[in-house]
Amino acid sequence: AQSVSQHNHHVILSEAASLELGCNYSYGGTVNLFWYVQYPGQHLQLLLKYFSGDPLVKGIKGFEAEFIKSKFSFNLRKPSVQWSDTAEYFCAVNANTDKLIFGTGTRLQVFP
Amino acid sequence: GAGVSQSPSNKVTEKGKDVELRCDPISGHTALYWYRQSLGQGLEFLIYFQGNSAPDKSGLPSDRFSAERTGGSVSTLTIQRTQQEDSAVYLCASSPRQGPLYGYTFGSGTRLTVV
Repeated sequence: AQSVSQHNHHVILSEAASLELGCNYSYGGTVNLFWYVQYPGQHLQLLLKYFSGDPLVKGIKGFEAEFIKSKFSFNLRKPSVQWSDTAEYFCAVNANTDKLIFGTGTRLQVFP
Repeated sequence: GAGVSQSPSNKVTEKGKDVELRCDPISGHTALYWYRQSLGQGLEFLIYFQGNSAPDKSGLPSDRFSAERTGGSVSTLTIQRTQQEDSAVYLCASSPRQGPLYGYTFGSGTRLTVV
């Protein structure tokens, strides 16, 4: 069965620090990968997605993620975080089904 | 409508009572998904509709949970004889076509508290 692991449950950073959130999935075939973000009091929204092609994917608000097939990973990165990036981040995988499987989420707190 | 609408936004119920949660998807979206978000558990898939049929209901945790969709639009998730472990945020998402490749739009959720 597909599963997604996010090992960082809670990350605390100062503004301008660099960010990397880990995401690993378990599925040996072709996958589609997603990062969703949930800002405080708001609904989940798509940050970026990978279907095929260039493994380095750029999303909104300066975020990017790299698909490394050999490591079954899709880590999210941002070179310099802002206070407004405070949110919960969810990695998700889709493979051969019509549904997304989500990880447990990473809560990011950015302090000014 | 402009987005996915869920009602009620908050629901407090007594253990053992039945509850109904409603989801109004974006007009024209044929696929509709229910997820449950619990503290520390991430988003747990419950059920998926394509039109009015549910090809995948594998995530429903027990036979106390059921869902239906009528007219290819509104969906209702019903929890019978609620238990405290049912407390969670129930999220609905819709998509123009089946499969997440076409993009999910999530509602704001219903926060269910069973006391």
